[in-house]
Amino acid sequence: EVQLVESGGGLVQPGGSLRLSCAASGFSLSTYWMSWVRQVPGKGLEWVANIKPDGSQKFYVDSVKGRFTISGDSAKNSLYLQMDSLRVEDTAVYYCARGGGHLDWGQGTLVTVSS
Amino acid sequence: DIQMTQSPSSLSASIGDRVTITCRASQGISNYLAWFQQKPGKAPKSLIYDASSLQSGVPSKFSGSGSGTDFTLTISSLQPEDFATYYCQQYNSYPLTFGGGTKVEIK
Repeated sequence: EVQLVESGGGLVQPGGSLRLSCAASGFSLSTYWMSWVRQVPGKGLEWVANIKPDGSQKFYVDSVKGRFTISGDSAKNSLYLQMDSLRVEDTAVYYCARGGGHLDWGQGTLVTVSS
Repeated sequence: DIQMTQSPSSLSASIGDRVTITCRASQGISNYLAWFQQKPGKAPKSLIYDASSLQSGVPSKFSGSGSGTDFTLTISSLQPEDFATYYCQQYNSYPLTFGGGTKVEIK
């Protein structure tokens, strides 16, 4: 059974940093594209970033380029999102998702950027 | 960026109704389209990928069709557990983009 479990969310001040983790089980991270998708509570879904199975390609939405970094660790079968220079508008629930078509999702972790 | 436009943004339907939701892409995306269901406080759940392929474990009352720019999600007979918000998403080109959602409510 595929499982994705996010962690690392919390309250951070504007300009601060946070690292999100997504522990995967039931499949190997090295065989699927993996994404981060976020959702402001009560609003729609926004794709943030994704990474090729071998880590050789990474893509980002324009609003996070230069501030967020997606990475994966095949030994730990985990996906990460390093978020720097956080802004109030980055406040959202962050989900990790498996595959180009986002076949499976974690339960999400809430990131709140506020002073 | 490819804009994904869903219609309607909300609808009211009765148990047993056939429901159709439309998603239009601002440019051709072949069949690189997915549909998701989301209930309040929960993560999205994959229903359909590649426009018409049913995700494993999803009941056959859900079906998807379309190619190019116009796509539909159909629920053949609406049940209480189907009341939720539905999103489409294209994965043909970056940035990956979602539709604004369709909220299906009880009439």
